[in-house]
Amino acid sequence: DAGVIQSPRHEVTEMGQEVTLRCKPISGHDYLFWYRQTMMRGLELLIYFNNNVPIDDSGMPEDRFSAKMPNASFSTLKIQPSEPRDSAVYFCASSLISYEQYFGPGTRLTVT
Amino acid sequence: DAKTTQPTSMDCAEGRAANLPCNHSTISGNEYVYWYRQIHSQGPQYIIHGLKNNETNEMASLIITEDRKSSTLILPHATLRDTAVYYCIVGNTDKLIFGTGTRLQVFP
Repeated sequence: DAGVIQSPRHEVTEMGQEVTLRCKPISGHDYLFWYRQTMMRGLELLIYFNNNVPIDDSGMPEDRFSAKMPNASFSTLKIQPSEPRDSAVYFCASSLISYEQYFGPGTRLTVT
Repeated sequence: DAKTTQPTSMDCAEGRAANLPCNHSTISGNEYVYWYRQIHSQGPQYIIHGLKNNETNEMASLIITEDRKSSTLILPHATLRDTAVYYCIVGNTDKLIFGTGTRLQVFP
């Protein structure tokens, strides 16, 4: 298996623009997690899905952030409008068993 | 709130065992101990987990004290590729809360 696939790997955008991050989980995995990592705040769980259903979105920082999982093989994390403080590395992870998560390579987002 | 306490950083000579401690004095009876590591610029990687018995897999061993208030992750023969941040996580739900971890530096 190719592992968790994330795109793009790098994104540079201007403040106010919409940003969409994409994730393809490992086939057969029931769980999908979105994390954000910064030097200041470390690795934070934003939202996770089980069988395509959002279970806990308490980590989503504000209404500018939204995540969807329209099917078992695809998820998006959208930021609209983006702000400089959203600059971070965003990781997607999937798992068959919730605690054994497989992380993707991450998307490095820079908002100027 | 942090449920675990880990040293900020540790060094280990290549080929020697790396013993990474973790304190989790407030762990409850149904909470597991999970270990992940994050090599620079990569996503975290699952290593091992346990409830109360010691566990071993191809990557590492996990030793949990009898009172379950602390644990040690052991990398039996550290290599330069084991240089990473190691996270000890306690929980019993789908959510993993990552702390700041221990930065392990393996030197030649």
